Amino acid sequence: GAGVSQSPSNKVTEKGKDVELRCDPISGHTALYWYRQSLGQGLEFLIYFQGNSAPDKSGLPSDRFSAERTGGSVSTLTIQRTQQEDSAVYLCASSRLAGAWNTGELFFGEGSRLTVL
Amino acid sequence: AQSVTQLGSHVSVSEGALVLLRCNYSSSVPPYLFWYVQYPNQGLQLLLKYTTGATLVKGINGFEAEFKKSETSFHLTKPSAHMSDAAEYFCAVSGTASKLTFGTGTRLQVTL
Repeated sequence: GAGVSQSPSNKVTEKGKDVELRCDPISGHTALYWYRQSLGQGLEFLIYFQGNSAPDKSGLPSDRFSAERTGGSVSTLTIQRTQQEDSAVYLCASSRLAGAWNTGELFFGEGSRLTVL
Repeated sequence: AQSVTQLGSHVSVSEGALVLLRCNYSSSVPPYLFWYVQYPNQGLQLLLKYTTGATLVKGINGFEAEFKKSETSFHLTKPSAHMSDAAEYFCAVSGTASKLTFGTGTRLQVTL
């Protein structure tokens, strides 16, 4: 596609349920990133993929969070047993090369807004 | 490790006035610095970047930023604000790690 596509755009769930958030990066972009944007917290790095492997998953807040990427393309972020503090906008970004400084640009999707009741 | 501090979560300027958004960074290696802008209900987009070379960098929509190593700063400026500049602005730093570390953002309000 022309840009990074994320789905769903909005998700309301009940505490304790599992959710899956999907990211479809720009075709040909080998690097894929997940960030979380909370009110007043800025953007919090979660995980980075190079191809299908995740060299850096240091930002995942707990073992309830996991992510995978298949075929060097689509990525899914899964949150198990959701908690109210998981409510945030989850942003996905992709770049053509590993290491943002090579291109100087991450291309962001519009995000998935998660609300946990 | 890298970190970014953006001074002022909200900045309000009059249309036509100077825009100054402050960013200070910390980096254990020579930094690469970025400003991103987020318009309402949209994803972030790159405004400008500093990697190497000229310390004054120009971006889209008339914005520019100057890398000052001695002050560890990368402030964003625009000589004359326009209503369409109202958005949230994020400063970010990248070092050797394959990720950007973002500041908490500054929301710019432009008034008539």
